[in-house]
Amino acid sequence: AQTVTQSQPEMSVQEAETVTLSCTYDTSENNYYLFWYKQPPSRQMILVIRQEAYKQQNATENRFSVNFQKAAKSFSLKISDSQLGDTAMYFCAFYRYNQGGKLIFGQGTELSVKP
Amino acid sequence: DAGVIQSPRHEVTEMGQEVTLRCKPISGHDYLFWYRQTMMRGLELLIYFNNNVPIDDSGMPEDRFSAKMPNASFSTLKIQPSEPRDSAVYFCASSLTGTGQETQYFGPGTRLLVL
Repeated sequence: AQTVTQSQPEMSVQEAETVTLSCTYDTSENNYYLFWYKQPPSRQMILVIRQEAYKQQNATENRFSVNFQKAAKSFSLKISDSQLGDTAMYFCAFYRYNQGGKLIFGQGTELSVKP
Repeated sequence: DAGVIQSPRHEVTEMGQEVTLRCKPISGHDYLFWYRQTMMRGLELLIYFNNNVPIDDSGMPEDRFSAKMPNASFSTLKIQPSEPRDSAVYFCASSLTGTGQETQYFGPGTRLLVL
Protein backbone atom coordinates (compact mmCIF):
# COMPACT_ATOMS: atom_id res chain seq x y z
CA ALA A 1 0.00 0.00 0.00
CA GLN A 2 1.09 3.51 -0.70
CA THR A 3 1.98 5.81 2.18
CA VAL A 4 2.80 9.49 2.31
CA THR A 5 4.90 10.99 5.12
CA GLN A 6 5.34 14.61 6.05
CA SER A 7 7.88 14.73 8.84
CA GLN A 8 7.45 18.41 9.74
CA PRO A 9 4.22 18.99 11.68
CA GLU A 10 4.91 22.73 11.96
CA MET A 11 7.17 25.25 10.29
CA SER A 12 7.54 28.99 10.31
CA VAL A 13 9.19 31.46 7.98
CA GLN A 14 9.67 35.19 7.84
CA GLU A 15 7.79 37.10 5.19
CA ALA A 16 9.73 37.35 1.89
CA GLU A 17 11.99 34.43 2.77
CA THR A 18 12.08 30.95 1.27
CA VAL A 19 10.84 27.80 2.95
CA THR A 20 10.91 24.14 1.95
CA LEU A 21 8.35 21.56 3.05
CA SER A 22 9.31 17.91 2.94
CA CYS A 23 7.36 14.91 1.74
CA THR A 24 8.35 11.31 1.19
CA TYR A 25 6.23 8.50 -0.12
CA ASP A 26 6.40 4.78 -0.50
CA THR A 27 5.21 2.95 -3.58
CA SER A 28 6.19 0.15 -5.89
CA GLU A 29 4.43 1.80 -8.81
CA ASN A 30 6.26 3.52 -11.63
CA ASN A 31 3.47 5.75 -12.92
CA TYR A 32 1.83 8.12 -10.51
CA TYR A 33 1.12 11.74 -9.71
CA LEU A 34 2.09 13.83 -6.71
CA PHE A 35 0.32 16.91 -5.46
CA TRP A 36 0.63 19.65 -2.92
CA TYR A 37 -2.61 21.02 -1.56
CA LYS A 38 -2.99 24.10 0.62
CA GLN A 39 -5.62 24.38 3.34
CA PRO A 40 -5.91 27.90 4.78
CA PRO A 41 -7.90 28.63 7.94
CA SER A 42 -11.05 28.68 5.82
CA ARG A 43 -10.47 24.90 5.42
CA GLN A 44 -10.89 25.05 1.67
CA MET A 45 -8.53 22.59 -0.05
CA ILE A 46 -6.67 24.31 -2.87
CA LEU A 47 -4.35 22.64 -5.35
CA VAL A 48 -0.93 24.28 -5.30
CA ILE A 49 1.10 22.19 -7.71
CA ARG A 50 1.14 18.80 -9.45
CA GLN A 51 3.99 16.58 -10.63
CA GLU A 52 3.76 13.64 -13.00
CA ALA A 53 6.22 10.91 -12.11
CA TYR A 54 7.29 10.25 -15.69
CA LYS A 55 8.38 13.86 -16.10
CA GLN A 56 11.89 14.57 -14.92
CA GLN A 57 11.44 18.32 -14.97
CA ASN A 58 10.34 19.77 -11.67
CA ALA A 59 6.96 21.50 -11.73
CA THR A 60 6.73 25.22 -10.97
CA GLU A 61 3.81 27.55 -10.38
CA ASN A 62 4.87 31.14 -9.82
CA ARG A 63 6.46 31.24 -6.35
CA PHE A 64 5.91 27.52 -5.77
CA SER A 65 8.23 24.83 -7.06
CA VAL A 66 8.98 21.23 -6.25
CA ASN A 67 12.09 19.14 -5.95
CA PHE A 68 11.05 15.72 -7.21
CA GLN A 69 13.55 12.95 -6.55
CA LYS A 70 11.95 9.79 -7.91
CA ALA A 71 14.65 7.36 -6.82
CA ALA A 72 14.60 8.73 -3.31
CA LYS A 73 10.79 8.95 -3.35
CA SER A 74 10.97 12.52 -2.20
CA PHE A 75 8.74 15.41 -3.22
CA SER A 76 9.48 18.69 -1.44
CA LEU A 77 7.71 22.01 -1.94
CA LYS A 78 9.65 25.26 -2.05
CA ILE A 79 7.85 28.53 -1.46
CA SER A 80 9.82 31.58 -2.50
CA ASP A 81 9.17 35.13 -1.35
CA SER A 82 6.77 33.90 1.32
CA GLN A 83 3.64 35.97 1.84
CA LEU A 84 1.33 36.24 4.82
CA GLY A 85 -1.39 34.60 2.71
CA ASP A 86 0.74 31.48 2.44
CA THR A 87 -0.05 30.70 6.07
CA ALA A 88 -1.91 27.39 5.91
CA MET A 89 -1.73 23.64 6.30
CA TYR A 90 0.04 22.02 3.38
CA PHE A 91 -0.72 18.46 2.37
CA CYS A 92 1.31 16.25 0.13
CA ALA A 93 -0.77 13.70 -1.79
CA PHE A 94 -0.09 10.65 -3.95
CA TYR A 95 -2.17 9.30 -6.79
CA ARG A 96 -1.57 5.97 -8.50
CA TYR A 97 -1.96 6.22 -12.23
CA ASN A 98 -5.37 5.33 -13.61
CA GLN A 99 -6.68 4.08 -10.31
CA GLY A 100 -9.84 6.08 -10.24
CA GLY A 101 -8.68 9.20 -8.50
CA LYS A 102 -7.84 7.77 -5.11
CA LEU A 103 -5.68 10.41 -3.44
CA ILE A 104 -3.60 9.42 -0.43
CA PHE A 105 -2.67 12.33 1.79
CA GLY A 106 0.14 12.94 4.23
CA GLN A 107 -0.56 14.25 7.70
CA GLY A 108 0.15 17.85 6.75
CA THR A 109 2.60 20.59 7.67
CA GLU A 110 1.31 23.74 9.33
CA LEU A 111 3.16 26.71 7.90
CA SER A 112 3.14 30.10 9.59
CA VAL A 113 4.47 33.12 7.73
CA LYS A 114 5.53 35.83 10.17
CA PRO A 115 5.62 39.53 9.34
CA ASP B 1 -18.56 27.96 -12.40
CA ALA B 2 -19.60 27.98 -8.74
CA GLY B 3 -17.25 25.18 -7.80
CA VAL B 4 -18.20 22.24 -5.62
CA ILE B 5 -21.07 23.15 -3.32
CA GLN B 6 -21.64 21.50 0.04
CA SER B 7 -24.39 21.92 2.55
CA PRO B 8 -24.73 22.47 5.36
CA ARG B 9 -21.46 24.20 6.19
CA HIS B 10 -21.88 23.42 9.87
CA GLU B 11 -23.95 20.78 11.59
CA VAL B 12 -24.39 20.16 15.27
CA THR B 13 -26.44 17.18 16.29
CA GLU B 14 -26.94 14.81 19.15
CA MET B 15 -25.74 11.27 19.32
CA GLY B 16 -28.17 8.87 17.70
CA GLN B 17 -29.59 11.36 15.25
CA GLU B 18 -29.46 10.95 11.49
CA VAL B 19 -27.17 13.33 9.63
CA THR B 20 -27.28 14.00 5.89
CA LEU B 21 -24.52 15.88 4.12
CA ARG B 22 -25.06 17.14 0.58
CA CYS B 23 -22.81 17.83 -2.34
CA LYS B 24 -23.21 19.32 -5.79
CA PRO B 25 -20.17 18.62 -7.98
CA ILE B 26 -18.87 20.84 -10.73
CA SER B 27 -21.00 20.44 -13.83
CA GLY B 28 -19.50 17.97 -16.28
CA HIS B 29 -17.28 16.23 -13.76
CA ASP B 30 -17.63 12.45 -13.90
CA TYR B 31 -15.96 11.66 -10.57
CA LEU B 32 -17.16 12.56 -7.10
CA PHE B 33 -15.30 11.88 -3.88
CA TRP B 34 -16.20 12.04 -0.20
CA TYR B 35 -13.36 12.65 2.28
CA ARG B 36 -13.27 12.94 6.03
CA GLN B 37 -10.71 15.01 7.93
CA THR B 38 -9.93 14.48 11.61
CA MET B 39 -6.96 15.36 13.76
CA MET B 40 -6.26 11.72 14.51
CA ARG B 41 -6.59 10.23 11.03
CA GLY B 42 -5.95 13.19 8.77
CA LEU B 43 -7.66 13.25 5.37
CA GLU B 44 -9.08 9.94 4.30
CA LEU B 45 -11.15 8.93 1.30
CA LEU B 46 -14.49 7.42 2.26
CA ILE B 47 -16.03 6.62 -1.12
CA TYR B 48 -15.97 7.74 -4.71
CA PHE B 49 -18.35 7.60 -7.66
CA ASN B 50 -17.82 7.45 -11.39
CA ASN B 51 -20.81 8.48 -13.49
CA ASN B 52 -23.05 8.16 -10.43
CA VAL B 53 -21.92 4.60 -9.68
CA PRO B 54 -20.04 3.86 -6.44
CA ILE B 55 -16.63 2.47 -7.39
CA ASP B 56 -14.75 2.11 -4.13
CA ASP B 57 -16.36 2.35 -0.71
CA SER B 58 -13.59 0.61 1.18
CA GLY B 59 -12.99 3.74 3.23
CA MET B 60 -16.51 3.89 4.63
CA PRO B 61 -16.07 3.30 8.37
CA GLU B 62 -19.03 1.07 9.02
CA ASP B 63 -22.62 0.35 8.15
CA ARG B 64 -23.79 3.53 9.80
CA PHE B 65 -22.38 5.41 6.82
CA SER B 66 -24.02 5.36 3.42
CA ALA B 67 -23.59 7.45 0.29
CA LYS B 68 -25.70 7.89 -2.79
CA MET B 69 -25.50 9.72 -6.06
CA PRO B 70 -28.95 9.69 -7.65
CA ASN B 71 -27.87 11.91 -10.54
CA ALA B 72 -24.83 13.68 -11.93
CA SER B 73 -25.41 16.85 -9.97
CA PHE B 74 -26.15 15.60 -6.47
CA SER B 75 -24.73 13.29 -3.85
CA THR B 76 -25.46 12.61 -0.20
CA LEU B 77 -23.49 11.14 2.65
CA LYS B 78 -25.68 9.87 5.46
CA ILE B 79 -24.75 8.83 8.98
CA GLN B 80 -27.38 6.92 10.92
CA PRO B 81 -27.15 6.78 13.87
CA SER B 82 -24.47 9.39 14.46
CA GLU B 83 -21.86 9.05 17.21
CA PRO B 84 -19.47 11.58 18.80
CA ARG B 85 -16.50 9.94 17.04
CA ASP B 86 -18.06 10.93 13.71
CA SER B 87 -17.26 14.56 14.50
CA ALA B 88 -15.03 15.76 11.66
CA VAL B 89 -14.92 17.92 8.59
CA TYR B 90 -16.40 16.15 5.58
CA PHE B 91 -15.24 17.22 2.14
CA CYS B 92 -16.75 16.52 -1.21
CA ALA B 93 -14.54 16.79 -4.30
CA SER B 94 -15.06 16.28 -8.01
CA SER B 95 -12.85 15.83 -11.03
CA LEU B 96 -13.33 15.62 -14.76
CA THR B 97 -11.71 12.22 -14.99
CA GLY B 98 -10.13 9.78 -12.58
CA THR B 99 -6.77 9.61 -14.25
CA GLY B 100 -4.90 12.04 -12.05
CA GLN B 101 -4.35 14.30 -15.03
CA GLU B 102 -7.33 16.27 -13.88
CA THR B 103 -7.37 18.17 -10.63
CA GLN B 104 -9.72 17.19 -7.85
CA TYR B 105 -11.62 20.30 -6.81
CA PHE B 106 -12.74 20.35 -3.21
CA GLY B 107 -15.83 21.90 -1.72
CA PRO B 108 -15.65 24.09 1.40
CA GLY B 109 -16.45 21.14 3.67
CA THR B 110 -19.11 20.43 6.28
CA ARG B 111 -17.99 20.69 9.88
CA LEU B 112 -19.94 18.09 11.84
CA LEU B 113 -20.13 18.01 15.60
CA VAL B 114 -21.95 15.15 17.26
CA LEU B 115 -22.66 15.74 20.95
